Amino acid sequence: GAVVSQHPSRVICKSGTSVKIECRSLDFQATTMFWYRQFPKQSLMLMATSNEGSKATYEQGVEKDKFLINHASLTLSTLTVTSAHPEDSSFYICSARAAGVNLGTDTQYFGPGTRLTVL
Amino acid sequence: AQKVTQAQTEISVVEKEDVTLDCVYETRDTTYYLFWYKQPPSGELVFLIRRNSFDEQNEISGRYSWNFQKSTSSFNFTITASQVVDSAVYFCALSEPHISNFGNEKLTFGTGTRLTIIP
Repeated sequence: GAVVSQHPSRVICKSGTSVKIECRSLDFQATTMFWYRQFPKQSLMLMATSNEGSKATYEQGVEKDKFLINHASLTLSTLTVTSAHPEDSSFYICSARAAGVNLGTDTQYFGPGTRLTVL
Repeated sequence: AQKVTQAQTEISVVEKEDVTLDCVYETRDTTYYLFWYKQPPSGELVFLIRRNSFDEQNEISGRYSWNFQKSTSSFNFTITASQVVDSAVYFCALSEPHISNFGNEKLTFGTGTRLTIIP
C-alpha cells in the first residue's frame, strides 16, 4: 500500500514552454500533497503544500505564478512549471499524506520524482 | 525553528560491515515526529520509519535498527551486515504537528548521507 506515482518521470523541454507534472496516490486518498524540489546532491526543499479543493500554500521564495499547483481530487495533484527556463531544471518530487487511520496520518509517501531539463 | 543535521556527508563501508548514520535534530516542541527515508539511485524516496517523540523505544526491523535518544536529540540509524543494495542516500526528517497547521505538517529534511557499500 501507500503507492504514489508521478508522470512523466523525465521531461526535456525548450525554454519558454510549460510543463505539467502529475502526482497520483494510487491506493489511498491524500488530503494533502506536497511538492519538493531537489538539486543534484542536495536535500529536498519544500515548494508548496496543497490541500484538495483549496489553494496551495507556497514556501517563501517560491513563485506561485510560475509553479501552478492544482489539487482537484483526493488522488491527484498537478504541478505546472510555466515558461520554464534552464534554471528550473531540477528533480521534482511529490509526496502524499494519507487521510485516515490505517496508513498513519503523519507519514508522507513519496513519488518516484520527475527530472526536468530545460534547454 | 526546526533543524535536522546529518553531519556525515558520505560514508563507505565494505559489505557485511555494520554502519551507523547519525541524525541530530532541533525543535521547540515536545510533540514531533522523526523519519528516515532512503533514496536509491533511481530517485524515489522510500519510507523506512516514523517515530513519535513520546516513544523512545529503540526499534529493529531486520537488519535495520534505530536509536532514539531524546536527551541528546538524536535519532541514529544502524544497518547491520550491510549489503550492496543498501547503497543510497539516506535522509532524516522532522515534522512538528501544530494545531494551526494540523494536516499540513511540513517535513524538514537533513542534507542526507550518501552510503556506499563496497562489494
